[in-house]
Amino acid sequence: DVKVTQSSRYLVKRTGEKVFLECVQDMDHENMFWYRQDPGLGLRLIYFSYDVKMKEKGDIPEGYSVSREKKERFSLILESASTNQTSMYLCASSSGTGVFYGYTFGSGTRLTVV
Amino acid sequence: AQSVSQHNHHVILSEAASLELGCNYSYGGTVNLFWYVQYPGQHLQLLLKYFSGDPLVKGIKGFEAEFIKSKFSFNLRKPSVQWSDTAEYFCAVIESYNTDKLIFGTGTRLQVFP
Repeated sequence: DVKVTQSSRYLVKRTGEKVFLECVQDMDHENMFWYRQDPGLGLRLIYFSYDVKMKEKGDIPEGYSVSREKKERFSLILESASTNQTSMYLCASSSGTGVFYGYTFGSGTRLTVV
Repeated sequence: AQSVSQHNHHVILSEAASLELGCNYSYGGTVNLFWYVQYPGQHLQLLLKYFSGDPLVKGIKGFEAEFIKSKFSFNLRKPSVQWSDTAEYFCAVIESYNTDKLIFGTGTRLQVFP
C-alpha cells in the first residue's frame, strides 16, 4: 500500500513562528498536494507539485510556501504563523503517470496557533 | 471553474435506515468523480470513483453512487446504514480533464445511532 506520512499529528505553535509541516510518500508518486480542512469549508488546496523543485499555487496560497527538493518529500511552510492558520493540514499524493486513480492521503497534522 | 456542492451538511440516521447524500458539480464535459470518507480520527479514504461507463458505481462497504449527467449529480447511497458508517463524507471532482487536481465539496457529517 502507498503510504503518505505526515511527521506530526498535533502541533502547537506561537503567532509569528515559522512552521514546517513535512510529508513523505513511499511509492514514487509524481504529484503531491497540500490541503487544509476546516469545518463547513471542506478541503481547500494550498499548493501542489507535479515534479521535484516544481510548485504551483492552489486556491488559498497566501501565507504559505512549499518546498520539494526530493521526489518523496513535500514540505509546507508557514512563514509567520497566525491564528487564522489554525487548521487540519492534509497531504496527498497521486501517481501522475497519466491514469488518475485518486489521491492517497496522510493522517493529517492538526495545527493550533496561539 | 469547476465546483462541487454538497447540500446535506449534517445527517442523522438510525441504524438500518437508507442513506442518500447529494453531490452536484458545476459543469459538464468529461468528469471524473469521487467520494471519500473520513472516519473519526482516521485519514481520508476512497469510497468509490466514476470515470466512464456504467453510471452506477459500486464502492467499498456497500456504498454506491449514481452519475446522472443531465442533473450534474453524483449522489452517494447505501440501502442500510450501520453505526460504523458514522463519518464525514466528501464528494470531489477533477478540476479539469487531464489534471490530478481535485476540487472537494464542503463535506457531509453522518451520525448513525444504534
